[in-house]
Amino acid sequence: GAGVSQSPSNKVTEKGKDVELRCDPISGHTALYWYRQSLGQGLEFLIYFQGNSAPDKSGLPSDRFSAERTGGSVSTLTIQRTQQEDSAVYLCASSPTSGSLTGELFFGEGSRLTVL
Amino acid sequence: GNSVTQMEGPVTLSEEAFLTINCTYTATGYPSLFWYVQYPGEGLQLLLKATKADDKGSNKGFEATYRKETTSFHLEKGSVQVSDSAVYFCALRLGQAGTALIFGKGTTLSVSS
Repeated sequence: GAGVSQSPSNKVTEKGKDVELRCDPISGHTALYWYRQSLGQGLEFLIYFQGNSAPDKSGLPSDRFSAERTGGSVSTLTIQRTQQEDSAVYLCASSPTSGSLTGELFFGEGSRLTVL
Repeated sequence: GNSVTQMEGPVTLSEEAFLTINCTYTATGYPSLFWYVQYPGEGLQLLLKATKADDKGSNKGFEATYRKETTSFHLEKGSVQVSDSAVYFCALRLGQAGTALIFGKGTTLSVSS
């Protein structure tokens, strides 16, 4: 497809379980971002990958959260030992960098995580 | 730190009413400013942007002017439509294209006919 693809679209899990969320960015986009959208909290930045550079992990809320990006393309966000406060919509976005003057981020439709 | 503050919602308007959604920012340096929109059931998409002071971004009848003196980027539309019902996010970016955006909490707009 032409857009950012995220899976699963919905995930229900039990407290204490690990979950993996996947993001497939737009082909050729070198930058990839993860955000968390919680009710009343807006969009919270989690992590940012830019090409082969070390990722900016400054937004990860705890060491239970981690992300990787393999081959400069697909990314996986992993949440270990999930807690109820992790329930949110996890959004992935990508953007081109060099040569791009707009700085526009292209978002996927998100993965809704519910922790029971 | 760097942050974006938006007016609390929800904003409820009748069709053809005038819309203003306030956005102010705090930033070190000179950010680029953005408005994103999230229609029901869809992903966020860029609505408009401005990259320097006094720039006006516009799209789909919406406008916002980058006001450095008041650190604001208020979103306006002269005549809203039911199809404008959505959540609107103000955001800033410091640095080069490709760095992460900092978003406000979003403002829900509901337009009735």
